[in-house]
Amino acid sequence: QKEVEQNSGPLSVPEGAIASLNCTYSDRGSQSFFWYRQYSGKSPELIMSIYSNGDKEDGRFTAQLNKASQYVSLLIRDSQPSDSATYLCAVKVGRDGGTSYGKLTFGQGTILTVHP
Amino acid sequence: EPEVTQTPSHQVTQMGQEVILRCVPISNHLYFYWYRQILGQKVEFLVSFYNNEISEKSEIFDDQFSVERPDGSNFTLKIRSTKLEDSAMYFCASSESDLNTEAFFGQGTRLTVV
Repeated sequence: QKEVEQNSGPLSVPEGAIASLNCTYSDRGSQSFFWYRQYSGKSPELIMSIYSNGDKEDGRFTAQLNKASQYVSLLIRDSQPSDSATYLCAVKVGRDGGTSYGKLTFGQGTILTVHP
Repeated sequence: EPEVTQTPSHQVTQMGQEVILRCVPISNHLYFYWYRQILGQKVEFLVSFYNNEISEKSEIFDDQFSVERPDGSNFTLKIRSTKLEDSAMYFCASSESDLNTEAFFGQGTRLTVV
């Protein structure tokens, strides 16, 4: 069973702080990694994608990938109350036997609460 | 900004009835997906569709389900003989390619089977 694991939280941080969200995955063939934000009752909204080891920054968000440790994280700097949501880690497995169809495997999500 | 659109936003149906959920993927995207999320649970993959055929499906996607691209823009999910446990949010998504590209989700259809 190919799994994506996240701490369900809730993770509570004060406004202006750094929120750190973590995700591990079991399939070493995983090649593409994504962070989605989901507000209650809404659809997943893409925040970041990362495909190679290291850090990728976009505004207040930084994604970090370590394929050797099978670990991906998301840092949110200067957290705002509007960042309060569930953050979903999603993984796409690379081509296996010459085929890949883009299926995303999601973690259960981490609930983030940013309090004023 | 291009987006994936889904209709209806909410569908209530009686157990045993058939429902069709509709999606319009982003126009230059070639890969289409359906996912579902039962309340309080993970987002689960149902099926991927490429080049006018199913390319991968999950164990959930049994004979009760079917997908179709009836024209150049719509992508549909049909659920036959709905069951109470089919109640969930159903999300359509699309992407340009399968590898190293981002998938964008529609706003979802909340299906309630009564």
